Amino acid sequence: GENVEQHPSTLSVQEGDSAVIKCTYSDSASNYFPWYKQELGKGPQLIIDIRSNVGEKKDQRIAVTLNKTAKHFSLHITETQPEDSAVYFCAARAYKLSFGAGTTVTVRA
Amino acid sequence: EAGVAQSPRYKIIEKRQSVAFWCNPISGHATLYWYQQILGQGPKLLIQFQNNGVVDDSQLPKDRFSAERLKGVDSTLKIQPAKLEDSAVYLCASRQLEGPSYEQYFGPGTRLTVT
Repeated sequence: GENVEQHPSTLSVQEGDSAVIKCTYSDSASNYFPWYKQELGKGPQLIIDIRSNVGEKKDQRIAVTLNKTAKHFSLHITETQPEDSAVYFCAARAYKLSFGAGTTVTVRA
Repeated sequence: EAGVAQSPRYKIIEKRQSVAFWCNPISGHATLYWYQQILGQGPKLLIQFQNNGVVDDSQLPKDRFSAERLKGVDSTLKIQPAKLEDSAVYLCASRQLEGPSYEQYFGPGTRLTVT
């Protein structure tokens, strides 16, 4: 089955700096790559997603890039704010969603 | 629109006891998922329903876990008997069947502690 690896497991950034989270996947049949944000006591919430026919997608301060050849995709958050502090999960969908282990992002004021 | 509802939010039981979780998906969403999220890990799919039929239950420990979605709307997930390693957050998610979106909408989860 699909195996998704996510790095780093924790990330601390100064407010206003950028944060980058990287993921790799194993199944070349994967065609959909969402990113979820999970705050304490809440379920994951989709923040951005990308399909395999697109190399990059941007939504305000958030962008995702996909390299199908390398089976690699990344989340970029620019101008980080304290409210960006949360756990972020990448996922890949071949026949079902497989999640990475998560990255705890802390934005220092 | 109202989101995915789950209850209870928290449950503490002793090992070998039974427990049930309830999920009400977003209105009109034909696909429903149950995930298990162990502390420090990403969600892992347990079972997927499309309407009231099971699409994928390959990761469901069927000797102790069961799930149903009798009328194609609400769903229940049951564990009997519970083990210590079942301590986790159980997340329910739903998705539209029609249309191009793959987006799954998650509920707040039920945090289960088995002592």
